[in-house]
Amino acid sequence: AQSVTQLGSHVSVSEGALVLLRCNYSSSVPPYLFWYVQYPNQGLQLLLKYTSAATLVKGINGFEAEFKKSETSFHLTKPSAHMSDAAEYFCAVSTGTASKLTFGTGTRLQVTL
Amino acid sequence: GAVVSQHPSWVICKSGTSVKIECRSLDFQATTMFWYRQFPKQSLMLMATSNEGSKATYEQGVEKDKFLINHASLTLSTLTVTSAHPEDSSFYICSASGLAGGPVYNEQFFGPGTRLTVL
Repeated sequence: AQSVTQLGSHVSVSEGALVLLRCNYSSSVPPYLFWYVQYPNQGLQLLLKYTSAATLVKGINGFEAEFKKSETSFHLTKPSAHMSDAAEYFCAVSTGTASKLTFGTGTRLQVTL
Repeated sequence: GAVVSQHPSWVICKSGTSVKIECRSLDFQATTMFWYRQFPKQSLMLMATSNEGSKATYEQGVEKDKFLINHASLTLSTLTVTSAHPEDSSFYICSASGLAGGPVYNEQFFGPGTRLTVL
C-alpha cells in the first residue's frame, strides 16, 4: 500500500520569498514520486517526477524537489515565489511512472505582494 | 507535449438521467486511461483504470454498474454516470499513458476535467 501526506493544506508566502511545500510518503516498494499543479477548474500539470535516478529533481517553472529516503520525504521548493505560482499543489506516489497515482490532500499556495 | 481532452467541460443534468464523459488522447495512442474524481477542495481519488480492449478495473468502493467505463479504442475512453444523483456531482478528471516503449509511455497526461452538476 502507498500513501502520501502533505503537511499544511494552505501555505502563504510573499512574492520573491522561498516556497516550501512538504510531502512525506509511505510505500512498500521503491516509490515513484510526483508533484502536480492544478489551477482552478483545470486538470493537473506535471511539475516534476522522481524515478529512482537523481535524488534532486528539477522541474518546470523553477521548481525542484529532493528525494530523501531516510526521511521518506519529497518536499517541493522554489527559491523565489511569483504571483503566477498561486495554485493547488498535489504530491503523488506510484509504483511506476505510468501506473495509478495515489494523491495527497493537496496544498493551496497563496502568493501575496 | 501529449494532449488529452475531455468533453464536455461541464454538464448539468437532472437526477435520474445518465451522463457520458469522453476522454481523448489527441496526439498519441493511450493503452491505459485512468478516471479520477475530485470533490471541492479535496484531492483526486482514483475511480478506475481502463486498458484498451479490456474491462476496467475499479477501485474499492466504486460502483461499476453506476460508473460505466469503456475504452474501445487507443484514443478514446468514456465514463458514463448512470442514474445520476446529486451526490455524484463532482469534478471528473481522466489521464492517459501511451504504448510501452513509446515517447509518452513514461508519464500520465491529464485532461482538463469535466464538472458534473446533478440537480
